[in-house]
Amino acid sequence: KQEVTQIPAALSVPEGENLVLNCSFTDSAIYNLQWFRQDPGKGLTSLLLIQSSQREQTSGRLNASLDKSSGRSTLYIAASQPGDSATYLCAVRLREETSGSRLTFGEGTQLTVNP
Amino acid sequence: GAGVSQSPSNKVTEKGKDVELRCDPISGHTALYWYRQSLGQGLEFLIYFQGNSAPDKSGLPSDRFSAERTGGSVSTLTIQRTQQEDSAVYLCASSLQVNTEAFFGQGTRLTVV
Repeated sequence: KQEVTQIPAALSVPEGENLVLNCSFTDSAIYNLQWFRQDPGKGLTSLLLIQSSQREQTSGRLNASLDKSSGRSTLYIAASQPGDSATYLCAVRLREETSGSRLTFGEGTQLTVNP
Repeated sequence: GAGVSQSPSNKVTEKGKDVELRCDPISGHTALYWYRQSLGQGLEFLIYFQGNSAPDKSGLPSDRFSAERTGGSVSTLTIQRTQQEDSAVYLCASSLQVNTEAFFGQGTRLTVV
């Protein structure tokens, strides 16, 4: 059974800092990995999707990396802003045909960026 | 609409009543997923639809839960004889094809009193 772990569970940083959020998964036979953010009381917003054949993806101040063999992904946020405050979730899709296309989620990292 | 739409956004129901939650996926998306997010917990997979294939119902927690997807578009999640432990945010997502980027709706917050 795929398990996804996110460390740290919570993180508080001053505005302007660069930061890294970590995601690890137990089954390396993934199809892809997706990072989301969730604001309080809201749904999930897709940030980045990394295919298993890719090493990283970038979108603006966000950079996500994937090391499939070690079962790890990181989300790097540059020059953090108070508006980045949210819960960040990573989710993986297994290659198993029988599991279909379900995403398995981590518990999330709650990020607070202080002005 | 441009995104995944869910209704209602909030639902309060009495224990024992049935509820229906609706999801309108992004137009043209063939895959549709339902997840549940309980307070302070992660997202729990419930059910997955892909085109005309049989749905993956392996995540449904009990036989009180069912879902259908009509015409390959709108989906309805039905919870019969609701219990207090059913209180959660129910999230729907869709993706263009199998294994492509998933987009989520804003969720339905269900409270069973």
